[in-house]
Amino acid sequence: AQSVAQPEDQVNVAEGNPLTVKCTYSVSGNPYLFWYVQYPNRGLQFLLKYITGDNLVKGSYGFEAEFNKSQTSFHLKKPSALVSDSALYFCAVRDGGATNKLIFGTGTLLAVQP
Amino acid sequence: ETGVTQTPRHLVMGMTNKKSLKCEQHLGHNAMYWYKQSAKKPLELMFVYSLEERVENNSVPSRFSPECPNSSHLFLHLHTLQPEDSALYLCASSQEVSDRVYGYTFGSGTRLTVV
Repeated sequence: AQSVAQPEDQVNVAEGNPLTVKCTYSVSGNPYLFWYVQYPNRGLQFLLKYITGDNLVKGSYGFEAEFNKSQTSFHLKKPSALVSDSALYFCAVRDGGATNKLIFGTGTLLAVQP
Repeated sequence: ETGVTQTPRHLVMGMTNKKSLKCEQHLGHNAMYWYKQSAKKPLELMFVYSLEERVENNSVPSRFSPECPNSSHLFLHLHTLQPEDSALYLCASSQEVSDRVYGYTFGSGTRLTVV
């Protein structure tokens, strides 16, 4: 079965510093990977996805993610963190079944200190 | 506004009550989903509807009953819930097209508290 793991419950970073939120995946075929962000009392918002092609995927709000097949990772990155980036981040993988079903990780809380 | 609207935003209900959660999408999508989000746990996929037919039920207790009357509306009927059912219930929609991969659009969720 497809799965993703987010090894960090929380990531702390100072404003202006680069940030990385980690995700590793396990799939039986081609990986279709996603990142979502959740602000307090809101639903999840799509940030970016990897389907095929360039290993560096650019998304919303200046975020990008690097697909690494040998390490089965899809880490989320941003060169310079903002306080407003503080939120809960979810990595997800598409299940290989007939439906477009996404399997989510446990989430990583990003806290950006001013 | 994401195009997926969930009502109510907050709901407090007793264990003997019957209530319903509503989800409406204005995106022309053909698939809809119910997820349960509890603290410190992965999002739990509860139900999947594709073209108004339920295609997946992930061992959800029968006290949760989904209904999809058309491609734009999805309901989750609740009865005789337990306190451990308290959570954020998220609705999502997507467009399913053969050989294409799309993400989901989520609603803001319904915060359910069972007392």
